[in-house]
Amino acid sequence: QSVLTQPPSASGSPGQRVTISCSGSSSNIESNYVYWYQQLPGTAPKLLIHRNNQRPSGVPDRFAGSKSGTSASLAISGLRSEDEADYYCASWDHTLSGQDWVFGGGTKLTVL
Amino acid sequence: QLQLQESGPGLVKPSETLSLTCTVSGGSISSSSYYWSWIRQPPGKGLEWIGTIYYSGSTYYKPALKSRVSISLDTSKNQFSLNLSPVTATDTAVYYCARGIAVPGALPDYWGQGTLVTVSS
Repeated sequence: QSVLTQPPSASGSPGQRVTISCSGSSSNIESNYVYWYQQLPGTAPKLLIHRNNQRPSGVPDRFAGSKSGTSASLAISGLRSEDEADYYCASWDHTLSGQDWVFGGGTKLTVL
Repeated sequence: QLQLQESGPGLVKPSETLSLTCTVSGGSISSSSYYWSWIRQPPGKGLEWIGTIYYSGSTYYKPALKSRVSISLDTSKNQFSLNLSPVTATDTAVYYCARGIAVPGALPDYWGQGTLVTVSS
């Protein structure tokens, strides 16, 4: 069971807008940055969004991150077939056990 | 261009030690601007942070793995390494090495391609 909760799947048709949610708590999302990674089949994760809503150079502005309280979301607009991938949210977590990085369980995006 | 490449045995016996090395090219692991990490992904499952090392040698490990993990730097070879011991079948996973910017709250920006390690007798 992942510390951050994501829907296991999402889907949309080309050109549509899709949103993926990520739910956490006060010890992780609410008090730390949220990152989003895209993992194409058989490849390593690629950084998509950092510091809640910042895109690294080369990431299209079709991808947008946001955060509010203990939740975050990734919006993908103008959906394209090459967006079909697994998407993971991640954040630092501060607990009594110490500092930890935590990930969501991943959302498999299907482009219909 | 920064590149990270994992290497090591693809098969490890239960109760033994998993040892992996990450070779960094296109950047120096001695830079104070970055940290270096290991992350794993069991087959068909999600991602799990294992630990991180800074240029100073300071290390931070996932609390649940802390008693079994060790990460070290070899600046002469521009490499960093992971040791995990003892291993069980649940340690079977693709292991990734990654780099992050050494500022508070930052998570990795570059990842290696990953290497599959199977724990089996």
